[in-house]
Amino acid sequence: NAGVTQTPKFQVLKTGQSMTLQCAQDMNHNSMYWYRQDPGMGLRLIYYSASEGTTDKGEVPNGYNVSRLNKREFSLRLESAAPSQTSVYFCASTSGVGGYNEQFFGPGTRLTVL
Amino acid sequence: AQSVTQLDSQVPVFEEAPVELRCNYSSSVSVYLFWYVQYPNQGLQLLLKYLSGSTLVKGINGFEAEFNKSQTSFHLRKPSVHISDTAEYFCAVSEKRGTALIFGKGTTLSVSS
Repeated sequence: NAGVTQTPKFQVLKTGQSMTLQCAQDMNHNSMYWYRQDPGMGLRLIYYSASEGTTDKGEVPNGYNVSRLNKREFSLRLESAAPSQTSVYFCASTSGVGGYNEQFFGPGTRLTVL
Repeated sequence: AQSVTQLDSQVPVFEEAPVELRCNYSSSVSVYLFWYVQYPNQGLQLLLKYLSGSTLVKGINGFEAEFNKSQTSFHLRKPSVHISDTAEYFCAVSEKRGTALIFGKGTTLSVSS
């Protein structure tokens, strides 16, 4: 099993450009998440999908959109990138909707917006 | 609303010394508690979790944590650290009826010889 995979690993954008970060999991998990990690800020939840067909906003959703394409895939889109979106983005998944489940993380996408 | 406070942003220690990474949380409801570790340039992986029962929880790589409800703390300990324990450690909490984790800001553990 590959677990949680993310593409791309690195990306540099110019202000105003758009891009989609891809995430896929092969563990048959129901719930998927997108976090951003900034120095000294820990991980902050951007959006999550508790199950296929549903998405909900997290703590910092502004400037982002998501799509739960199917049970395996959960993408994050930046429509008009801003320097404040320079960050490391992590996708995670978990098997259930209960708060007790371990989340499994991907390796991250390092995004720089110039 | 839940929140997590990791009391130390950086903890430098020498190899084979004991270490404690401190975590306090606030929540108006019952919670589940987690410690995750992030090695350089990698994603996070679970070290241990407290769901219920015994307040002393053992995890991977010799780490353990103690849940203290009265002090709303979940401190992580290891009696003897190795160079390979150098990493960033995150405490996290979730509500028993919720789905998302709330993370602390992280503690960087630096182990030197």
